[in-house]
Amino acid sequence: GENVEQHPSTLSVQEGDSAVIKCTYSDSASNYFPWYKQELGKRPQLIIDIRSNVGEKKDQRIAVTLNKTAKHFSLHITETQPEDSAVYFCAASLRGGGNKLTFGTGTQLKVEL
Amino acid sequence: GAVVSQHPSRVICKSGTSVKIECRSLDFQATTMFWYRQFPKQSLMLMATSNEGSKATYEQGVEKDKFLINHASLTLSTLTVTSAHPEDSSFYICSARVPGTGIQETQYFGPGTRLLVL
Repeated sequence: GENVEQHPSTLSVQEGDSAVIKCTYSDSASNYFPWYKQELGKRPQLIIDIRSNVGEKKDQRIAVTLNKTAKHFSLHITETQPEDSAVYFCAASLRGGGNKLTFGTGTQLKVEL
Repeated sequence: GAVVSQHPSRVICKSGTSVKIECRSLDFQATTMFWYRQFPKQSLMLMATSNEGSKATYEQGVEKDKFLINHASLTLSTLTVTSAHPEDSSFYICSARVPGTGIQETQYFGPGTRLLVL
């Protein structure tokens, strides 16, 4: 089955700096890669996603890049703000696999003032 | 956006009792829902895929007789934890797939149910 690795497990940045979280996946057939933000005790919320026919996608301060050859994808947050502090999860979905999501282990992002 | 609700939000029960958790899609019909379990400071682990009108598909290692799933309508799936024990204490989250025109369909999550078994 699919295996998703995520790094780093914790990330601390100063307000206004950029944050980058990286994920790798194992199954080359995976073709959908969402990113979720989860605040403590709350539901995961989709913040951005990318499909395998696209190399990069941007939504205001958030961007995701995908390298299919290397099987890795990254989340980029620019101009970080304290409200960006949360746990971020990457995930991968396998075509023909019932659209099941396999999640990474999560990254605790802390944006310090 | 798509809204998924869960009930109850938290439940405390005695060991040996059964607990039912409901997952509803409020503004769309979901032929497929997913049930996850999340232990503290860990990732989401898929337990099963719930398909409307058919049997659920369980992930390896998940006991289907312990975690009963029923998806009787296009807007409701239920997870029943039978004979709950303290080790079943966790955060249970459902998600629903929003039908779309793409090959992959976005999943939206419910708010989760925190289960504590004493």
